[in-house]
Amino acid sequence: QTVVTQEPSFSVSPGGTVTLTCGLSSGSVSTSYYPSWYQQTPGQPPRTLIYSTNSRSSGVPDRFSASILGNKAALTITGAQADDESDYYCVLYLGSGISVFGGGTKLTVL
Amino acid sequence: EVQLVESGGGLVQPGRSLRLSCAVSGFTFDDYAMYWVRQAPGKGLEWVSGISWNSGRIGYADSVKGRFTISRDNAKNSLYLQMNSLRAEDMAFYYCVKGVGSGWNGLVPDFDSWGQGTLVTVSS
Repeated sequence: QTVVTQEPSFSVSPGGTVTLTCGLSSGSVSTSYYPSWYQQTPGQPPRTLIYSTNSRSSGVPDRFSASILGNKAALTITGAQADDESDYYCVLYLGSGISVFGGGTKLTVL
Repeated sequence: EVQLVESGGGLVQPGRSLRLSCAVSGFTFDDYAMYWVRQAPGKGLEWVSGISWNSGRIGYADSVKGRFTISRDNAKNSLYLQMNSLRAEDMAFYYCVKGVGSGWNGLVPDFDSWGQGTLVTVSS
């Protein structure tokens, strides 16, 4: 069974830059996995940040960017702000109409 | 403005069935793939199912395959999830999600807008 991996937690200083990653338990992530990224704060539905590797969703500031870094998908936040403190989820397309989310990364801004 | 409004959640006994609905507005429904994503309280997101614009492509997570059925009625601008043989582990908030595209080239997880979710509680 394929597992999508994310760092359980990460911290960044206000104004700093952080890169969160999304990998596979076996194999490398490529654009063929259509990695996407979602932000969620407690009690709210997720918000789409990035889809299809690096397409920013409408209204998402360009502080959020994404790419493939090595064998993983990556989400980079530059100039971190207090309200970036959230859970971040990636999802990968495994083919045959099936996608799998990673376990999420809890980002702390302090 | 895109709106996705889920309904049909509630308390159900293990082994019973429930049908979720998602009423949409603010966009041309039959141009887009649609999805269901769930989240158990305090847990992460789980992709459940997806359906292309014309129902020609459908996919299910292994955890629900054979028990859940996704469908859509483009004339009624509505998405559905029929859930049978419910288990305790199906208890979650269920989100209706609009895709970025139609799904003609595969049900890739290009999610766009999300509903507020409906809670399904499975308990005796």
